[in-house]
Amino acid sequence: QSALTQPASVSGSPGQSITISCTGTSSDVGGYDYVSWYQQHPGKAPKLMIYDVTNRPSGVSNRFSGSKSGNTASLTISGLQAEDEAHYYCSSYTSRITLVVFGGGTKLTVL
Amino acid sequence: QVQLVQSGAEVKKPGASVKVSCKASGYTFSSFGISWVRQAPGQGLEWMGWISGYNANTNYAQKLQGRVTMTTDTSTSTAYMELRSLRSDDTAVYYCGRLSSWELDYWGQGTLVTVSS
Repeated sequence: QSALTQPASVSGSPGQSITISCTGTSSDVGGYDYVSWYQQHPGKAPKLMIYDVTNRPSGVSNRFSGSKSGNTASLTISGLQAEDEAHYYCSSYTSRITLVVFGGGTKLTVL
Repeated sequence: QVQLVQSGAEVKKPGASVKVSCKASGYTFSSFGISWVRQAPGQGLEWMGWISGYNANTNYAQKLQGRVTMTTDTSTSTAYMELRSLRSDDTAVYYCGRLSSWELDYWGQGTLVTVSS
């Protein structure tokens, strides 16, 4: 069981927007602005898409955005494209011994 | 450009040890930490721990304490992760990543470790 809770799957049609949630506690998501999001295509290494809740690394499309409210962080992808179909994982710094925790991952299907 | 290149796939018997390397290039090794993350077949990402590239301080996931050791060789900008007393549920792809603040901004290509008798 992962420390952060994500929906197992979400789907959307090309051009639509979708949001993936990531729920933790006040010891991780709610307590710190160190939430990151990763995209992983099958057989590939994860790729950083969002860090520090809202920041996009250079080269990541502005169709990807992050936010947080209380103990829940969210990743929104607007203008869905076929290439966005992948697994998405959230992570957060935590005050527990582990220091970093991941969500269980969400499979995004572009219909 | 930043690159992390990992060693090749390994097949080990239960009870054995494995050591995976991660060679960094394109940045100042001592300015960032290296994290290790593993992914069992069909499963999600699991944080294993991290090591400072500056002073080699480490922090390990509680469930791996006592079985994992992370080290660095600053002369070659290489990080290592050794896992001992391997079990079948240690079968996974092992990734190294550059730790920038608390996110992994660059990742290695992954190393498949298979534990089988």
